Amino acid sequence: RKEVEQDPGPFNVPEGATVAFNCTYSNSASQSFFWYRQDCRKEPKLLMSVYSSGNEDGRFTAQLNRASQYISLLIRDSKLSDSATYLCVVKGSARQLTFGSGTQLTVLP
Amino acid sequence: NAGVTQTPKFQVLKTGQSMTLQCAQDMNHEYMSWYRQDPGMGLRLIHYSVGAGITDQGEVPNGYNVSRSTTEDFPLRLLSAAPSQTSVYFCASSYGQSNTEAFFGQGTRLTVV
Repeated sequence: RKEVEQDPGPFNVPEGATVAFNCTYSNSASQSFFWYRQDCRKEPKLLMSVYSSGNEDGRFTAQLNRASQYISLLIRDSKLSDSATYLCVVKGSARQLTFGSGTQLTVLP
Repeated sequence: NAGVTQTPKFQVLKTGQSMTLQCAQDMNHEYMSWYRQDPGMGLRLIHYSVGAGITDQGEVPNGYNVSRSTTEDFPLRLLSAAPSQTSVYFCASSYGQSNTEAFFGQGTRLTVV
């Protein structure tokens, strides 16, 4: 079993739609959680950290459920510029990042 | 701000050749790491360093060496290139505390023929 598993995608949604991505992790000792965004043929960049209480950044909402070892990302009012691959990332006690394989999102006009 | 700089951006090697991928950061980050990204596999950790003079192996270290003689630089050496090492390589750095952002270089696309 992979340490971090994500919805395989791809997700193709119309502009303005709401889309949700899910992620599960296997190491219960994981300490920090993130969503990164990766544009085609570019490097990953931090989208947002994920906190136990849930957090929001504009149209983006992240949730963490430590008991179920589950992380989610909700994107509201999708824009064409949201088209990218979204990477679920978990950091353990050794400070190493473990990446999910990513979920590809295409927002259609 | 340069951030994390990787060179070269593209490289083609013949099987058996060796080369070094360069990575430098100007943010005084303690923690640096190398990943490879293959289709459908996500990013996998090759080697990492928690500070100058300290390196350790990640998930897929075989065929690669690293050193960390300064805080700024973390080169990755391919000892004898194999077609299985065809991949996109990313260097990353961060302050190292658990909840800090990792910054990535632009990547090196390596093809081994």
